[in-house]
Amino acid sequence: GAVVSQHPSWVICKSGTSVKIECRSLDFQATTMFWYRQFPKQSLMLMATSNEGSKATYEQGVEKDKFLINHASLTLSTLTVTSAHPEDSSFYICSARTAPPVEQYFGPGTRLTVT
Amino acid sequence: AQKITQTQPGMFVQEKEAVTLDCTYDTSDQSYGLFWYKQPSSGEMIFLIYQGSYDEQNATEGRYSLNFQKARKSANLVISASQLGDSAMYFCAMREHNTGRRALTFGSGTRLQVQP
Repeated sequence: GAVVSQHPSWVICKSGTSVKIECRSLDFQATTMFWYRQFPKQSLMLMATSNEGSKATYEQGVEKDKFLINHASLTLSTLTVTSAHPEDSSFYICSARTAPPVEQYFGPGTRLTVT
Repeated sequence: AQKITQTQPGMFVQEKEAVTLDCTYDTSDQSYGLFWYKQPSSGEMIFLIYQGSYDEQNATEGRYSLNFQKARKSANLVISASQLGDSAMYFCAMREHNTGRRALTFGSGTRLQVQP
């Protein structure tokens, strides 16, 4: 199957700093990538849809100025958590859209801890 | 309203036995896809099986099969001959094809524990 990588796999940062998470499709091109957030013992919640060459589409309740998404190429999307706070601590997972029927392959996730 | 409902927060099964994980969904779209993913403790989402709404036969992938009952709007996952490595969270998900929403909507998940 298609391979999606995420970097870093885990990160600890101090409150008020910014953190960038990369999502790469390694063996295919993805015009669309998705960013999900997962709190402990909960399900995945879609944060935003990242479109190559255009602005991301954010879900209701997700602050676009806090979670900056850039999809600069067909293989890379980045999520930057700006001015991170402890409540932003979570597991962030990206997925890249491929051909039907599977359509989405997920990255391994990034665990963010804000102290 | 919940789009995807998984009513079993946790399930236990004995090794080598079969187990069914329940999933019901809600959509007015005629064309949609149903997915099951496995999430071990490492966090990665592993694709298991897919069922399209127009597929007449139930999907099967090795030890995984999807019991698709369209009229009941259910898409239960059946794992045969459970293995210790099957212990994980399992998520049912749906993508509606005609809404313009390309992302998946996930259920709350079921934690499966396989006992030796």
